[in-house]
Amino acid sequence: SAVISQKPSRDICQRGTSLTIQCQVDSQVTMMFWYRQQPGQSLTLIATANQGSEATYESGFVIDKFPISRPNLTFSTLTVSNMSPEDSSIYLCSVRRIQETQYFGPGTRLLVL
Amino acid sequence: DAKTTQPNSMESNEEEPVHLPCNHSTISGTDYIHWYRQLPSQGPEYVIHGLTSNVNNRMASLAIAEDRKSSTLILHRATLRDAAVYYCIHQPGSNYKLTFGKGTLLTVNP
Repeated sequence: SAVISQKPSRDICQRGTSLTIQCQVDSQVTMMFWYRQQPGQSLTLIATANQGSEATYESGFVIDKFPISRPNLTFSTLTVSNMSPEDSSIYLCSVRRIQETQYFGPGTRLLVL
Repeated sequence: DAKTTQPNSMESNEEEPVHLPCNHSTISGTDYIHWYRQLPSQGPEYVIHGLTSNVNNRMASLAIAEDRKSSTLILHRATLRDAAVYYCIHQPGSNYKLTFGKGTLLTVNP
């Protein structure tokens, strides 16, 4: 299994500012992902965080808006840049090892005013 | 994108079995079928997955149709703690991405 923690657990931010969300795993993992869950909606994959290289973004998500870092096998950050109220969502970190199931963090609840 | 179809909601009584259906008519031969559930205010939780054969674990059973175009998640005895949104996902064998649909909101009545 994998125990995932995210910081902050929730935040209220002003539009135009940026927020960096941290994801920490208790042991090394092969893959790390970032998802967004808008209010009342399902999860949408933002990107795959790649260690030592640029993240791989899904259609509709760009690096300028959601820069991602992954400096090692247990840690990643997602920044939500130049926020607007439409960015109000739950942001979830997810991890996976080869041949194992995928685990999800508790999420970061973001409200943008 | 891999696409599944599930009922929006289902209701069950406590201690009764629950059968949650899922259609995945576009599934390819190497795609896995995963089930996750999301309890209120939590991240998704793995339930079970399979490829072709039926699967059992301590949480549930997964029955996969012979043509693999549909599957059913079976909770043998529903409890109040099983109330959640259940997501059926087919994961391409070529990558590890999970594409979530809308899921089924399961309500369990005491």
